[in-house]
Amino acid sequence: DAEITQSPRHKITETGRQVTLACHQTWNHNNMFWYRQDLGHGLRLIHYSYGVQDTNKGEVSDGYSVSRSNTEDLPLTLESAASSQTSVYFCASRPGLGGNEQFFGPGTRLTVL
Amino acid sequence: GIQVEQSPPDLILQEGANSTLRCNFSDSVNNLQWFHQNPWGQLINLFYIPSGTKQNGRLSATTVATERYSLLYISSSQTTDSGVYFCAVFGYKHSGGGADGLTFGKGTHLIIQP
Repeated sequence: DAEITQSPRHKITETGRQVTLACHQTWNHNNMFWYRQDLGHGLRLIHYSYGVQDTNKGEVSDGYSVSRSNTEDLPLTLESAASSQTSVYFCASRPGLGGNEQFFGPGTRLTVL
Repeated sequence: GIQVEQSPPDLILQEGANSTLRCNFSDSVNNLQWFHQNPWGQLINLFYIPSGTKQNGRLSATTVATERYSLLYISSSQTTDSGVYFCAVFGYKHSGGGADGLTFGKGTHLIIQP
């Protein structure tokens, strides 16, 4: 079955380190998204991509970057991790236009000490 | 941007009870989804329902797009229904320069007691 996976599922890192979270989907969806979830905020959009070589900033993009070298993967990089980036990160994908259904990965819990 | 409000924020019920969760949104939408976040943190797609009514077992949902609200009904609650229920929308007025992606409400935290 097609699916969306994230790795690692849990990570602890130190302030100032670079961290990369992986997202892989096998639906062949062009559109992929990264969200973060914090207590009291629901999920907020970090970055998104409409296809290979395309990346766009979301609501809370400062301190994060993404790259899209193929259809299946959208890695999220924290250039210099900060304690404020301790959160649960969800990757999602969607076929086609904005009105279509989004599907979410299992999440990565990141702790920055 | 579009605003999404969910009510109630918290709900405690006995097993077997019925419940109605509400989602209000501030502008026209062409996508509305309901999710269940289980105690392990996974987001489970319940309904894709930009308009109309859908049913899946004990759960059903109705979106009245013209009045900008959606309702999620849970009947004969079970302890496994516990968790947080999120409503998320994508608005019609997204255009160049605005961000894509879903806008989430803050959720309804549901606890079903045995």
